[in-house]
Amino acid sequence: AQTVTQSQPEMSVQEAETVTLSCTYDTSESNYYLFWYKQPPSRQMILVIRQEAYKQQNATENRFSVNFQKAAKSFSLKISDSQLGDTAMYFCAFMRSYNTDKLIFGTGTRLQVFP
Amino acid sequence: DAGVIQSPRHEVTEMGQEVTLRCKPISGHDYLFWYRQTMMRGLELLIYFNNNVPIDDSGMPEDRFSAKMPNASFSTLKIQPSEPRDSAVYFCASSLLASGTTYNEQFFGPGTRLTVL
Repeated sequence: AQTVTQSQPEMSVQEAETVTLSCTYDTSESNYYLFWYKQPPSRQMILVIRQEAYKQQNATENRFSVNFQKAAKSFSLKISDSQLGDTAMYFCAFMRSYNTDKLIFGTGTRLQVFP
Repeated sequence: DAGVIQSPRHEVTEMGQEVTLRCKPISGHDYLFWYRQTMMRGLELLIYFNNNVPIDDSGMPEDRFSAKMPNASFSTLKIQPSEPRDSAVYFCASSLLASGTTYNEQFFGPGTRLTVL
């Protein structure tokens, strides 16, 4: 069975600074997808960034980038130039790569951005 | 696009009552997922459908929970009888597997916050 672990229940960062959220996972699959979702106080689940396991290049989306280490089964999220609107819960998620499948989520990291 | 629509947004009921949560997926999407979010267990899949057929219901907690998808534009999640431990946020998500791809983004609805007293 696949598992996703987020070991940082809470993080804080000052506005304009950089913060890194950690995620590790366990799977015997060779191909899969990894995601970071943001959940602001509105509860809406918002996809931040996606990484395909067969791609060595780390995904980037504007201020968001990942450090994907397949051998170590590590998938961290870096937020650069943090903004107050980045305050939210962040969930790391795993999905097997065939047709479609369910998302398996970590327990989340609550990020607070301070002015 | 209207996005995934869930109703009601909030539901408060008493233990033993029947609760029905509703979901309208994005038009044209062929996969529909029901997830539950609690403090204790985080976000977990309850069941998902493909073309209205249940594919994986291994996450459904017990016989008190049932889900249906009578057509491509509507799904329900029913709890009967409800218990306080069912209190959670229930999310519906939908996706479309495009031809030639192995990945399809799941779009989440706003969730239904259920409180069972």
